[in-house]
Amino acid sequence: AQKITQTQPGMFVQEKEAVTLDCTYDTSDQSYGLFWYKQPSSGEMIFLIYQGSYDEQNATEGRYSLNFQKARKSANLVISASQLGDSAMYFCAMREGQIQGAQKLVFGQGTRLTINP
Amino acid sequence: GAGVSQSPRYKVTKRGQDVALRCDPISGHVSLYWYRQALGQGPEFLTYFNYEAQQDKSGLPNDRFSAERPEGSISTLTIQRTEQRDSAMYRCASSSTSGRAQYFGPGTRLTVL
Repeated sequence: AQKITQTQPGMFVQEKEAVTLDCTYDTSDQSYGLFWYKQPSSGEMIFLIYQGSYDEQNATEGRYSLNFQKARKSANLVISASQLGDSAMYFCAMREGQIQGAQKLVFGQGTRLTINP
Repeated sequence: GAGVSQSPRYKVTKRGQDVALRCDPISGHVSLYWYRQALGQGPEFLTYFNYEAQQDKSGLPNDRFSAERPEGSISTLTIQRTEQRDSAMYRCASSSTSGRAQYFGPGTRLTVL
């Protein structure tokens, strides 16, 4: 069974608009972590944001925020005021289990975001 | 720089040769991970270490793949008797005890001819 599902293979958005990238996950663990990474055409993997399953508030990092809906098992990434430099592949990932002895990440298939001028 | 470094960045080898890929994690990071990424897909877990102990090697495809981190810092992923299907981007990542982020290196692009 797919643990991380990203249903949008590609998205096209006008510059300066907000964009939401979808991510749903599947786990029976109570303790887990959710991550978003950006992979531009240069190939690097850039960490964007983290949400722990017990975190009471949605995570925010600058223009990035994570819309965490635990009951629906969704962890959507919201990018406000999109910029041309946001064009990239975006991956959602999950770590199951306790942080201590931090464990492997399981990645989704990714969403390719294109920002149009 | 203070980030994760990997070497070599590109490796072209002939089928049947052994290759060793090196990862130097962020200073002080206790956990180190190896992933493999095919073109257009997300990284897939291979193995990870806490300090020098290999905690999970369930993602290693077969016994031609091995990894070590003898002093709890630099790690080497070794592929013996390489095959064309081993061609991929091999990525290393590291994290601190907080586990709230894994930071990736630039990767080694392996091509097996």
